[in-house]
Amino acid sequence: QSVLTQPPSVSAAPGQKVTISCSGSSSNIGNNYVSWYQQLPGTAPKLLIYDNNKRPSGIPDRFSGSKSGTSATLGITGLQTGDEADYYCGTWDSSLSAHWVFGGGTKLTVL
Amino acid sequence: EVQLLESGGGLVQPGGSLRLSCAASGFTFSSYAMSWVRQAPGKGLEWVSAISGSGGSTYYADSVKGRFTISRDNSKNTLYLQMNSLRAEDTAVYYCAKDISYYDILTGYFTWYFQHWGQGTLVTVSS
Repeated sequence: QSVLTQPPSVSAAPGQKVTISCSGSSSNIGNNYVSWYQQLPGTAPKLLIYDNNKRPSGIPDRFSGSKSGTSATLGITGLQTGDEADYYCGTWDSSLSAHWVFGGGTKLTVL
Repeated sequence: EVQLLESGGGLVQPGGSLRLSCAASGFTFSSYAMSWVRQAPGKGLEWVSAISGSGGSTYYADSVKGRFTISRDNSKNTLYLQMNSLRAEDTAVYYCAKDISYYDILTGYFTWYFQHWGQGTLVTVSS
């Protein structure tokens, strides 16, 4: 059971938009920045979004992030078949045993 | 270009030990915190451990505390993970990552994220 909760899977057609939610608590998302990672099949994860809504250089603006209270959302517009991947949210957890936490991951299928 | 190259993975018996290495290049290694993140077969990502740029501060997931030790040699631009008392549930691909971490004075928020990742090394714990 992950500290951050993501839907196991989402799907949409090419060209459409999809959102992936990430729910946490005041000890993690509520008081720290959230980042998102894309893991294409058989490859290492890659940073997609950091500090809730910032994109590293090279990440297209089809990808966006937002945060409200203890939840965060990843949005992907203009879906492409190459976006099929697992997506993970994560943040620092400031609870008693301070540590980094990931969501369980969401598999995106582009139909 | 940032490069992170893990090595040291392999097959080990339960209760055994293994040391992973991560050779870094393309950035000032000593200026950045580093982490190990693992992924069991068919499962999600799990943060394992982190170390500050100087090596003076270390952090561990509860699942590995007391069994794993993270360290770094800034003269060799290399990150290590010493894994002792290995269990079947430690079987995973282990990734090293270059961290970005800082406290945002303006917002009061703490940020820590994994900016670059290595390709991973597989550790299999089995008899």
